[in-house]
Amino acid sequence: GEDVEQSLFLSVREGDSSVINCTYTDSSSTYLYWYKQEPGAGLQLLTYIFSNMDMKQDQRLTVLLNKKDKHLSLRIADTQTGDSAIYFCAESRNQAGTALIFGKGTTLSVSS
Amino acid sequence: DTEVTQTPKHLVMGMTNKKSLKCEQHMGHRAMYWYKQKAKKPPELMFVYSYEKLSINESVPSRFSPECPNSSLLNLHLHALQPEDSALYLCASSQAQLYEQYFGPGTRLTVT
Repeated sequence: GEDVEQSLFLSVREGDSSVINCTYTDSSSTYLYWYKQEPGAGLQLLTYIFSNMDMKQDQRLTVLLNKKDKHLSLRIADTQTGDSAIYFCAESRNQAGTALIFGKGTTLSVSS
Repeated sequence: DTEVTQTPKHLVMGMTNKKSLKCEQHMGHRAMYWYKQKAKKPPELMFVYSYEKLSINESVPSRFSPECPNSSLLNLHLHALQPEDSALYLCASSQAQLYEQYFGPGTRLTVT
């Protein structure tokens, strides 16, 4: 299909790890991104991974890329209540210099 | 500094009004974008400017008119909007097309 797929909701307890999954569509996508959006705010670029990498770690964030299965995941270690937000996976498709193709977003709810 | 600013933060306008949204970045980015985001949905691309020239127009109605006066500024002129145009309008910029995009906080537009 044409869509970038994400599960819609994830609920975790404070201190646990969160794993948000995404399936993208274009095997030629150069970069894959994770954005965070808090209520009423714009999108914050969290991290991104180049398509020739398998993993990228940045403090509490770990991105895993399985290019064969077109599967991307974002792991947040030691999840905090401030991590509650919508997380968008996005791919940049190599067609006519287009912009980003977003998934529908995963709402992460962190309870204390 | 990865800041993109947008003004106004909120805008309420009638269907016969003319208004403009403004976006500014001082990161030296040469690609700038307008997105429209409805509640609980991912952003939808409207326009892309690359090196101050309109690169992509995603079949947006003519009541939305973009303008890029210089490499730091992007405007979106609004005229004769409909209530269904009410949404969060996000501006983004990137070093060039296909590079990571940085988003502004958005303008919350309500058309009455």
